[in-house]
Amino acid sequence: DTGVSQDPRHKITKRGQNVTFRCDPISEHNRLYWYRQTLGQGPEFLTYFQNEAQLEKSRLLSDRFSAERPKGSFSTLEIQRTEQGDSAMYLCASSLGQTDSTDTQYFGPGTRLTVL
Amino acid sequence: GNSVTQMEGPVTLSEEAFLTINCTYTATGYPSLFWYVQYPGEGLQLLLKATKADDKGSNKGFEATYRKETTSFHLEKGSVQVSDSAVYFCALKNRGSTLGRLYFGRGTQLTVWP
Repeated sequence: DTGVSQDPRHKITKRGQNVTFRCDPISEHNRLYWYRQTLGQGPEFLTYFQNEAQLEKSRLLSDRFSAERPKGSFSTLEIQRTEQGDSAMYLCASSLGQTDSTDTQYFGPGTRLTVL
Repeated sequence: GNSVTQMEGPVTLSEEAFLTINCTYTATGYPSLFWYVQYPGEGLQLLLKATKADDKGSNKGFEATYRKETTSFHLEKGSVQVSDSAVYFCALKNRGSTLGRLYFGRGTQLTVWP
């Protein structure tokens, strides 16, 4: 059983650098979500794809953030000109995209970003 | 709006004790409700869910009942084990919404001592 995978698991970068994270969803899941989790908080929604279409972006997703899912499979999340406030765990989840009442999101292990 | 409020942690219990973690919600529609668990060093795992009022979700000895009248979804377990030590998150997703995002509480850290 291959669950949601994320790469890298940890990333340390200096302020001002660009970083890119990758998420591989469960195969045949057509919905893919990105969340951000800071210490002591629950995950907060960032953005969501239905196949390759990005359907919603949270106000948390500033202009420095961009996400893609070019072929409706894996997704990338890029943060440009990183700031210390970007330090967090970035979580990816996927779901089949069934009717809302039954659709369940499965999470990956996350990418922990530390901005120095 | 949509929000989830969980009881503050940390919660510390002895093995075999009874567990309750309170969760209340505010939602604009008729949400589905979830409990996720995060074990140390691991990702979020779905523990249980309920999709309509009076539904009871259960898994691994944990239970939660969707109470619309009190807008609550409290997590319970009759006898906790050391292996239950983790962070527990209550979450909701609005039905009827095409967006599908989850709204999470802040999480409750549970530590079980032998």
